[in-house]
Amino acid sequence: QSVLTQPPSVSAAPGQKVTISCSGSSSIIGNNYISWYQQLPGAAPKLLIYDNNKRPSGIPDRFSGSKSGTSATLGITGLQTGDEADYYCGTWDGSLSGGVFGGGTKLTVL
Amino acid sequence: EVLLVESGGGLVQPGGSLRLSCAASGFTFSSYEMNWVRQAPGKGLEWVSYISSTGRTIYYADSVKGRFTISRDNAKNSLHLQMNSLGAEDTAVYYCARVNSGWSSYFYYYVDVWGRGTPVTVSS
Repeated sequence: QSVLTQPPSVSAAPGQKVTISCSGSSSIIGNNYISWYQQLPGAAPKLLIYDNNKRPSGIPDRFSGSKSGTSATLGITGLQTGDEADYYCGTWDGSLSGGVFGGGTKLTVL
Repeated sequence: EVLLVESGGGLVQPGGSLRLSCAASGFTFSSYEMNWVRQAPGKGLEWVSYISSTGRTIYYADSVKGRFTISRDNAKNSLHLQMNSLGAEDTAVYYCARVNSGWSSYFYYYVDVWGRGTPVTVSS
């Protein structure tokens, strides 16, 4: 049981928009920046979003992040079949002195 | 090009040991904190261990504390994970990961570079 909770799966049609939530306690999400990772099938994870809403170089602006209170959200617009992947949120848990990841959300582009 | 390349994975019997290594290139290794993250078959990401850029600060997940030891050699641009008393629950792909962390308005912590991973299978 992860300290960060994500829906197990989401789905949407090509071209549509989808959001993935990541919820946790005020001590974790409320006090820390959230990052998001994309893991394509058979590949290593890749950083998508850091510091709640910043995109690394090379990540298209179809991907966005936000945070409000004890919840963070990853948004993906203009869905493509190539976006089918597992998505993870992550941050640091100061009380555990360790990194934490959400359980992951499988995105299906119908 | 920034690269992390893991090695040392393989099949090991329960109770056995394994030493993973990660060779870093394309960046100033000694300036970065590092992590090991693992992923069991069909499961999500699990943070395993953290080491500061100097090696002075180290943290472990409760699931590996007392059995795993993280270390680094900044002169050789390498990260290591010594794994002892391995059990079936340690079967996973182990990723070497470069960390960025610190304080801004809030505490930030994220992995910006991942290796391809090395598989570890614990089985008799």
